Amino acid sequence: EIEVTQSPGSLSLSPGERATLSCRASQSISSRYLAWYQHKSGQAPRLLIYGASSRAAGIADRFSGNGSGTDFTLTISRLEPEDFAVYYCQQYGTFFGQGTRLEIK
Amino acid sequence: QVQLVQSGGEVKKPGASVKVSCRASGYTFTSYGISWLRQAPGQGLEWMGWVSGYSDHIKYAERLQGRVTMTTDTSTTTAYMELRSLTSDDTAVYYCARVLSTYEFDFWGQGTLVTVSS
Repeated sequence: EIEVTQSPGSLSLSPGERATLSCRASQSISSRYLAWYQHKSGQAPRLLIYGASSRAAGIADRFSGNGSGTDFTLTISRLEPEDFAVYYCQQYGTFFGQGTRLEIK
Repeated sequence: QVQLVQSGGEVKKPGASVKVSCRASGYTFTSYGISWLRQAPGQGLEWMGWVSGYSDHIKYAERLQGRVTMTTDTSTTTAYMELRSLTSDDTAVYYCARVLSTYEFDFWGQGTLVTVSS
């Protein structure tokens, strides 16, 4: 079983700043099967990135993903107020990290 | 447009069962699988299992094996998730999601709150 570790657990930033979220797998995985989701309270999660670096339909270009092997990153280039949420990485459709909570500073 | 609409919230007693439905529209139902996930209060997302459109392929999370059953009804384009022998640990919001070929979930249901309480 693959273990997925996200860091940091929480991140406090201001609108306009850059956010960098990390996702690490316990073993090397194909980047084809790495996705990122945004989850706001009271809403369903939303797919942001699939295949480690491809933006899903309708996702703003301030969101970008990269990485390979065991280490992956989600970057939000300039935070907008609506970006403050919990972010999850997912591997092979079944393994989720514990999430990174992005909070307004 | 693709939509997944889930059944309403449920309150169950410990030991009971719950069955949550997920009605799909806007796409060819049998061409995609459906995964079920849940989020307990204060916790992250937990993958529960996956069922193909025709129900001919199914995979469950190990920790739920024996307590969960996932099915589909192609005539009504609806997926179902039944969870048995409920405990308070099963209190959560349950989601269905459409699964793409590389296992990401592109459309989600609105969520169904299941509360287990005596």
